[in-house]
Amino acid sequence: DVKVTQSSRYLVKRTGEKVFLECVQDMDHENMFWYRQDPGLGLRLIYFSYDVKMKEKGDIPEGYSVSREKKERFSLILESASTNQTSMYLCASSLGRQAYNQPQHFGDGTRLSIL
Amino acid sequence: GDSVTQMEGPVTLSEEAFLTINCTYTATGYPSLFWYVQYPGEGLQLLLKATKADDKGSNKGFEATYRKETTSFHLEKGSVQVSDSAVYFCALSGRGTSYGKLTFGQGTILTVHP
Repeated sequence: DVKVTQSSRYLVKRTGEKVFLECVQDMDHENMFWYRQDPGLGLRLIYFSYDVKMKEKGDIPEGYSVSREKKERFSLILESASTNQTSMYLCASSLGRQAYNQPQHFGDGTRLSIL
Repeated sequence: GDSVTQMEGPVTLSEEAFLTINCTYTATGYPSLFWYVQYPGEGLQLLLKATKADDKGSNKGFEATYRKETTSFHLEKGSVQVSDSAVYFCALSGRGTSYGKLTFGQGTILTVHP
């Protein structure tokens, strides 16, 4: 089974801090994704990556950046955390071949609170 | 652009009741369609998928049929259990979409009482 592991289940940080969320997958997937999940809004794509060092903006990239130095690891960075970034963050990965047919595999999420 | 609309929730049912969660979509061409489930405190899991018109996806007693003429992918289960209580997300991936990006509906909360 595909395993997507997010480094923290719960995280509390202060406004203005630089925050790192880490995600690792063990199935050699080419594509990796970061979403945030908010009640009534579903999942919104922040950034995704289709290869090492390659990244593309999703629907809500403002205030975030990402890093993918190794194929299995995809990091989400909050450059200067703000209270409106309090949310559940979900990482996912998928195969690159015929990507539109491939399901995404999700981690358990990180619930981030910015105080 | 692509979009997915799910029926408003929350949905509350008694055990063994019939379940339908409606999902309609707007997309260019013929997307792939997915249902994901999120149990409390967990991430999303793939429940079923369909990749072309008239395909039926099924898993764990749940079914959904890809209807091109009505642009729908409604989720059904004949007899729900308490353990089916979760949030259900309909999603699509367009064939012209970069790298399998998914567009999600807003999610439907299902609660099943004994």
